[in-house]
Amino acid sequence: NAGVTQTPKFQVLKTGQSMTLQCAQDMNHEYMSWYRQDPGMGLRLIHYSVGAGITDQGEVPNGYNVSRSTTEDFPLRLLSAAPSQTSVYFCASRNRAGLGEQYFGPGTRLTVT
Amino acid sequence: SQQGEEDPQALSIQEGENATMNCSYKTSINNLQWYRQNSGRGLVHLILIRSNEREKHSGRLRVTLDTSKKSSSLLITASRAADTASYFCATDLTGGFKTIFGAGTRLFVKA
Repeated sequence: NAGVTQTPKFQVLKTGQSMTLQCAQDMNHEYMSWYRQDPGMGLRLIHYSVGAGITDQGEVPNGYNVSRSTTEDFPLRLLSAAPSQTSVYFCASRNRAGLGEQYFGPGTRLTVT
Repeated sequence: SQQGEEDPQALSIQEGENATMNCSYKTSINNLQWYRQNSGRGLVHLILIRSNEREKHSGRLRVTLDTSKKSSSLLITASRAADTASYFCATDLTGGFKTIFGAGTRLFVKA
C-alpha cells in the first residue's frame, strides 16, 4: 500500500492564481481531511469528508473548496491564492471519523507571492 | 482558538532522561491522540486513548488522561537522540467529526 499520497510536494503561486492540491489514499478509508500547518500554530483543520459525496468545513475553510467524488481522492482547491495561504498542507485519512489513527501524507509546501 | 494546548512549547533533555509533555483541551472529547512529527515531514501516530481510559502504555510511551481536568500527558522514558521531534496532541470532539490539534511541543534530546 502507498498509504496517503500528495502532489505536488512544492508549489509557488502568484496572488490570485488558483490551483488544486491532490490527495489520494489506497486504504479504503471513509474519512479524509485537509490541514494546514503554520510555524508555531500546529495543524488547523480546513475541510473534511466522512465519505464519498459528503464534505464539511473545519476550523479555517475560507478560500478553499473540496469535493469527494470517490473514496480514494480528496482534492483541495485554492480559489484565488493569497499570501496568507502560504503554508504546509497535509492530507490525512482514517478508517472512520473518530476511530483509530489518522494516516498523514508527506505534505505540500505552498508559497504564495 | 485551538482546542489543545501543549506545555512546554520546547523541551531539551539529555539522552537517557525522561521527557514529559502535557496537553490541555477545552471541550468534551471522544478520544485523544498523540502524534510525532520529524522536521518537515508528515505526522506519525503514536497512541490513542479513549475518554473512558485513564492510562495507556506503548513501549517507552505512557499516556494519561484526566477528563475532569481536561488534560493529558505523554511520558517518554529513557529518551534517545532519535526521539528529537515535535509532539502534538489531537482531540476527537464529541458529537462531531472534527479532530483538533494543539500547537505542539518541540523535544530535543542531546546525545
